[in-house]
Amino acid sequence: GAVVSQHPSRVICKSGTSVKIECRSLDFQATTMFWYRQFPKQSLMLMATSNEGSKATYEQGVEKDKFLINHASLTLSTLTVTSAHPEDSSFYICSAELTGVGTDTQYFGPGTRLTVL
Amino acid sequence: AQTVTQSQPEMSVQEAETVTLSCTYDTSENNYYLFWYKQPPSRQMILVIRQEAYKQQNATENRFSVNFQKAAKSFSLKISDSQLGDTAMYFCAFRGSQGNLIFGKGTKLSVKP
Repeated sequence: GAVVSQHPSRVICKSGTSVKIECRSLDFQATTMFWYRQFPKQSLMLMATSNEGSKATYEQGVEKDKFLINHASLTLSTLTVTSAHPEDSSFYICSAELTGVGTDTQYFGPGTRLTVL
Repeated sequence: AQTVTQSQPEMSVQEAETVTLSCTYDTSENNYYLFWYKQPPSRQMILVIRQEAYKQQNATENRFSVNFQKAAKSFSLKISDSQLGDTAMYFCAFRGSQGNLIFGKGTKLSVKP
């Protein structure tokens, strides 16, 4: 149980285009999902917290107009990188939180490698 | 602000032996969760073990166990009978009342045959 999928796993796009990444909790409902960015050989950096039915909360320094997050259902959150540039190339990981007594655990998707040419 | 520190950037262990990865954290909260996640070369983050701060008993999951010292704010991970498949980055993480995870910088573990 507690499986999270992420699609696509890899994407290459041209500079100036937009890219959408989907994160789905397959066997549980998640009120809260998270989006992270990971640079090579570094830890995960939280970009934003996505709450179902409300606006996402962005971390300091993350442009909300560039990284659009939508959490329209209890099993799906999307991250759209708008007008992508080469510096946006990175590994993006989502997680979904399984909540309950004694749980409150984040389960992670497999990640999306974005390359902007 | 909460912080998580992993002081060992890299470690290695022989197959079948035991290794302990260190993690310390800082918080003023009393109720929280601590986690160890594993990230193999595939980069999929995998939950290894979880500890609730209100539980005194150390969590165990098969070959993985923790030594949770709440007063010392220490949360080490012990891997017994190490296997080649245990080779990965290991991240210690803290979850407090804000709900987000705070990660350490990770420890790269290599299991040698």
